[in-house]
Amino acid sequence: QQQVKQSPQSLIVQKGGISIINCAYENTAFDYFPWYQQFPGKGPALLIAIRPDVSEKKEGRFTISFNKSAKQFSLHIMDSQPGDSATYFCAASMAGNTGKLIFGQGTTLQVKP
Amino acid sequence: GAVVSQHPSRVICKSGTSVKIECRSLDFQATTMFWYRQFPKQSLMLMATSNEGSKATYEQGVEKDKFLINHASLTLSTLTVTSAHPEDSSFYICSARGAGNKQYFGPGTRLTVT
Repeated sequence: QQQVKQSPQSLIVQKGGISIINCAYENTAFDYFPWYQQFPGKGPALLIAIRPDVSEKKEGRFTISFNKSAKQFSLHIMDSQPGDSATYFCAASMAGNTGKLIFGQGTTLQVKP
Repeated sequence: GAVVSQHPSRVICKSGTSVKIECRSLDFQATTMFWYRQFPKQSLMLMATSNEGSKATYEQGVEKDKFLINHASLTLSTLTVTSAHPEDSSFYICSARGAGNKQYFGPGTRLTVT
């Protein structure tokens, strides 16, 4: 019940296309859902995050769609660029639980020029 | 804002020696910091939760006597890998919890034990 399942494992998108990564969770106590971007040899960087009281959040080319009833959330990268090529992790945490994050398995995105 | 640093970025040590990794929140105070380990092409594995002024909470399967954590101030947590062995070679990443429960990660430390 603590798991966060992420798909696909890898994704290849043409420059200018839309990259979509999906995550699903079981624990309805989760109340914070961030996405992290990680480049090789670097630490993860917080990209965008959402709480379950909204269904969508957009920051620049990055959008999180959140479906509370389905217990799913997804990251959309619009107008994907080669510089977006990285590994993306979704995560979830619960309030009052020290903020411990449960990470998805990661998605390696390659954006072809 | 919300910058977390780690030192060193890379370290090579001989088997049997101990290595200390520092994690600092540079522009905010963090009562809670986390230590992760990451193997190539895998997700982050939480090792322990570090709370300022108290003992760390270790995840199941993580040897507390081998991975010593000290969170002596609101901006510094340290991870000491004691009696390191080649199987401890990995990428160690810390994070610090900021406002709104957001976690900010350090750049990571690549440990190689020879």
